[in-house]
Amino acid sequence: SQQGEEDPQALSIQEGENATMNCSYKTSINNLQWYRQNSGRGLVHLILIRSNEREKHSGRLRVTLDTSKKSSSLLITASRAADTASYFCATSGGGADGLTFGKGTHLIIQP
Amino acid sequence: ETGVTQTPRHLVMGMTNKKSLKCEQHLGHNAMYWYKQSAKKPLELMFVYSLEERVENNSVPSRFSPECPNSSHLFLHLHTLQPEDSALYLCASSPYSDNYGYTFGSGTRLTVV
Repeated sequence: SQQGEEDPQALSIQEGENATMNCSYKTSINNLQWYRQNSGRGLVHLILIRSNEREKHSGRLRVTLDTSKKSSSLLITASRAADTASYFCATSGGGADGLTFGKGTHLIIQP
Repeated sequence: ETGVTQTPRHLVMGMTNKKSLKCEQHLGHNAMYWYKQSAKKPLELMFVYSLEERVENNSVPSRFSPECPNSSHLFLHLHTLQPEDSALYLCASSPYSDNYGYTFGSGTRLTVV
């Protein structure tokens, strides 16, 4: 069953602005991950945050996790045209039992 | 290249055909996965292999048959598919430990006619 639910479904911003995407999930998790997918290609792992972490940074990416609200956010700062892609959150319940993905947010960066 | 290679990239097959999708990784990962991605739907987990044993089979129709002969190779055998099986099929691998991201291949775009 679907676990993650991204919001918004689509987002269009100007280059240089910050982009924020949100993810909500339903059951307890071991970790939450964010992935990027360029049109028709495979997914690329961006960042993983464990259930006992609240915030994590990687370059221009900032991820937060609120386990009490079962939600996460992904912030991309100083966006670039190359950031245009679909972004997915995925949750893991533990072990190698597979990630559960949401439908994704389609991000468009206008030059 | 991500380290996970899928072949073929594109496949068109009739409903009576039999074909196989191949996935290969040399990252030293010991868990491999098949996902199906259809338009406007979340990625659907189809099969999980961990240490070469199938540990997950999410109610996938029997016309899809996975095979994992070793930790580096994963196949998805297809037979008597339906048009609604047309989708992007993605293979991924990960270390056995849970605290790592997955590495995905570029996918096989399957069209059933």
